[in-house]
Amino acid sequence: GENVEQHPSTLSVQEGDSAVIKCTYSDSASNYFPWYKQELGKRPQLIIDIRSNVGEKKDQRIAVTLNKTAKHFSLHITETQPEDSAVYFCAASPRGSQGNLIFGKGTKLSVKP
Amino acid sequence: DAGVTQSPTHLIKTRGQHVTLRCSPISGHKSVSWYQQVLGQGPQFIFQYYEKEERGRGNFPDRFSARQFPNYSSELNVNALLLGDSALYLCASSWATGDYEQYFGPGTRLTVT
Repeated sequence: GENVEQHPSTLSVQEGDSAVIKCTYSDSASNYFPWYKQELGKRPQLIIDIRSNVGEKKDQRIAVTLNKTAKHFSLHITETQPEDSAVYFCAASPRGSQGNLIFGKGTKLSVKP
Repeated sequence: DAGVTQSPTHLIKTRGQHVTLRCSPISGHKSVSWYQQVLGQGPQFIFQYYEKEERGRGNFPDRFSARQFPNYSSELNVNALLLGDSALYLCASSWATGDYEQYFGPGTRLTVT
């Protein structure tokens, strides 16, 4: 079955710097890759997603890139702000799974003012 | 993600008891998925329902069951509770089954003592 690995597990940056979180997946047939942000005690919030027919997608300060050959995808946050501090999860949806998501273990991002 | 509701917010049960968790999806969404999130981990897929039919099941024992009602709301039932069932149970709503965006509810925090 699908396996998603996420790195790093913790990431600390200064306000204004960029942050990059990387995920790898094992099932080459996976075709949908969302990213979620979860603040302490709150629900996971969908922040951006990408499908296998696209290599890059951007939404203001966040972007996601997908390399299907290498089976990895990354989240890029530019000009980080203290409110970006949260746990970020990547996920993959294996083809034929009806959209069930397999999540990574999460990255705790801390943005220091 | 606004609109997915879950009840109750918190629940404390004793080993061996039974629990029922409830979820109402975003208006117009016909698919509901359930996930278990243990502290410090990513959500783990339990069930997906679409049009009242089970469309996917994760690697959970038969003590876990679910159903979806004609109004697309859903229940997750867990029998013979174990200490290891203590977790945040998340419901996610999507328009349909497949690679559509999933929006999470606030979750039910279950503690088994």
